[in-house]
Amino acid sequence: DAGITQSPRHKVTETGTPVTLRCHQTENHRYMYWYRQDPGHGLRLIHYSYGVKDTDKGEVSDGYSVSRSKTEDFLLTLESATSSQTSVYFCAISESRTSGSDTQYFGPGTRLTVL
Amino acid sequence: GQSLEQPSEVTAVEGAIVQINCTYQTSGFYGLSWYQQHDGGAPTFLSYNALDGLEETGRFSSFLSRSDSYGYLLLQELQMKDSASYFCAVKRGSNYQLIWGAGTKLIIKP
Repeated sequence: DAGITQSPRHKVTETGTPVTLRCHQTENHRYMYWYRQDPGHGLRLIHYSYGVKDTDKGEVSDGYSVSRSKTEDFLLTLESATSSQTSVYFCAISESRTSGSDTQYFGPGTRLTVL
Repeated sequence: GQSLEQPSEVTAVEGAIVQINCTYQTSGFYGLSWYQQHDGGAPTFLSYNALDGLEETGRFSSFLSRSDSYGYLLLQELQMKDSASYFCAVKRGSNYQLIWGAGTKLIIKP
């Protein structure tokens, strides 16, 4: 299994509070991703990173920011959490290739509840 | 826009064969991947097709027709442990993003 951990695994917070989720990898993969998963929507990309300090927005980036100061860590921040951000958050990593599947390996997920 | 369609739920009997379809509308198509996710777990990679045809990996096979923008995942000799959600995902290209379908929940009955 790819070495990916997420912390915390579960979090309950209140509307309006800031929340930071951490993804840590030991695989030295270049690409890292943050997804949210909600019933009926599958996986939706929030932000991704293609290198240290290089990040870009995904399809549902509003209300989220990210940072990547080291290859192994990718942080997702909800500046002011809202109930609509209650979800399961997955981090994923992949190697960069010019061809092939660019298989994504997923962390165990973080279940976030915003009250 | 980009979209992938797959059935929301499929039911099959243990030991049988089941096919999960995926149709897509995307630009810059590079290939189609399939992932499995058990309840409460994380998605895990199953297969990838970049070219037309069938790819076989044990009991699982995946097919792609680029001209029809269509693919499917075929699961043979179904086992109870195959009960899970299955996602198709399109690789679009240079930024290594995947576009995901909403997932198909496979229910297996004894």
